[in-house]
Amino acid sequence: GNSVTQMEGPVTLSEEAFLTINCTYTATGYPSLFWYVQYPGEGLQLLLKATKADDKGSNKGFEATYRKETTSFHLEKGSVQVSDSAVYFCALSVKSGGSNYKLTFGKGTLLTVNP
Amino acid sequence: GAVVSQHPSRVICKSGTSVKIECRSLDFQATTMFWYRQFPKQSLMLMATSNEGSKATYEQGVEKDKFLINHASLTLSTLTVTSAHPEDSSFYICSASSGGTGNTIYFGEGSWLTVV
Repeated sequence: GNSVTQMEGPVTLSEEAFLTINCTYTATGYPSLFWYVQYPGEGLQLLLKATKADDKGSNKGFEATYRKETTSFHLEKGSVQVSDSAVYFCALSVKSGGSNYKLTFGKGTLLTVNP
Repeated sequence: GAVVSQHPSRVICKSGTSVKIECRSLDFQATTMFWYRQFPKQSLMLMATSNEGSKATYEQGVEKDKFLINHASLTLSTLTVTSAHPEDSSFYICSASSGGTGNTIYFGEGSWLTVV
């Protein structure tokens, strides 16, 4: 089956620190990989994605590279800000019958950035 | 970009009543919509996949008679929680797929349901 394992939090950093949230996956087929962010009291927003091996997704200073050999998609940011405090979900999608794509999520990692 | 809207964002209902949550894709046609449930400090649990014009496909363990899903048009799917109980209180999130090779999935803002 499909599964996503991501680093358990919570993660607490000071502003301008370097962030890494690890994510590994198992999948049947060739998945697309995603990072979603959920700010307090809000729904999920797509942060970045990668659809094939060695692709690098990037957005708002965050990056993640699709590593097929290690089945990983680690999220990184060089200098975090207080506004980055949120829950981050790693996810994969594979085709699930016809043209449907089903998302499988990791458990989420709560990031708190202190001033 | 694509936007998915959910309504209501918060709802309180009494035990035994039914409540409907709407999910709309605002600027694209969504042949497939997904309904998730999120428990506090936990991940999203896929409840069902909703395809326009056909019956929803429910995940194992989800009661299809309790969580009624209707996808009547390419821009609207509804989730009705029937005979609600306090344990149904949760955050429900829908998402919609724009299809195509990009297979990007967009999420609604979520709906907080509290059953009292």
